[in-house]
Amino acid sequence: SQTIHQWPATLVQPVGSPLSLECTVEGTSNPNLYWYRQAAGRGLQLLFYSVGIGQISSEVPQNLSASRPQDRQFILSSKKLLLSDSGFYLCAWRRGSGLAGKYEQYFGPGTRLTVT
Amino acid sequence: DQQVKQNSPSLSVQEGRISILNCDYTNSMFDYFLWYKKYPAEGPTFLISISSIKDKNEDGRFTVFLNKSAKHLSLHIVPSQPGDSAVYFCAASTPLEYNQGGKLIFGQGTELSVKP
Repeated sequence: SQTIHQWPATLVQPVGSPLSLECTVEGTSNPNLYWYRQAAGRGLQLLFYSVGIGQISSEVPQNLSASRPQDRQFILSSKKLLLSDSGFYLCAWRRGSGLAGKYEQYFGPGTRLTVT
Repeated sequence: DQQVKQNSPSLSVQEGRISILNCDYTNSMFDYFLWYKKYPAEGPTFLISISSIKDKNEDGRFTVFLNKSAKHLSLHIVPSQPGDSAVYFCAASTPLEYNQGGKLIFGQGTELSVKP
C-alpha cells in the first residue's frame, strides 16, 4: 500500500528565516506530487505540482519554491519567510500513469507553519 | 473566478438524521467530481467520487448525486454520526487529457457538525 509522509509536523519560524518542508511517498512510482496551503478558515490553495523529477509547475506567484530531487520526494522551500506564509501545508500524490491514471489525490498529514 | 463553490460554510445535523452537503460548479468541462473529509490539523481523506457519465454513486452511508444540467452535486450521509463531524470539500477535474498534472479544483469547504 502507499503511504505519504510529511515533516516536520509543526514549525515556528521568525520572519525572514528560511524554510524547508519535505514530503515523501512510499509504495508507488512516478507519482504526480502536489503542495497545497490551507490558511486559517480557508479552502485548499494549490501552490505547486510536479509530474516528474525536476518538473515543477507553479500555480501562485509568491516567495515559495518547490523542488523534486527524487521520484518520490517533494520539497517546499523559501529563502525568507513572510508573516503571510503561516498556514497548514499539505502534500498530496496521485497515480501518474498518464491517461490511465485516476483522478484521486491522497494527502499527507500536513505541516502547521507559524511565522512570528 | 471560483469554479467550484460550496455556499454553506457550516451545517448542523442531529445524530441519526440525513446530512446533505451541496456543491455547485461553473465549468462544464469538469468530468469527475470528488468529496474529501478533513479533521482539524489532519490532511483531507478521500471519501467518494463520481464520473460525469453517472448521476449517482453510493458507498455505505455516503451517496453522491450529480445533476449535470444544474451543475450541482451533493453528498448525502445517512445516518449521520458524531464522528462525521468534519469539514467536507468537494473537488472537480477536467478530463486528464486536457489537465496537465491532474489538478483538482476545490471548493471552500462546509463544516458539518453532528449533534448527539
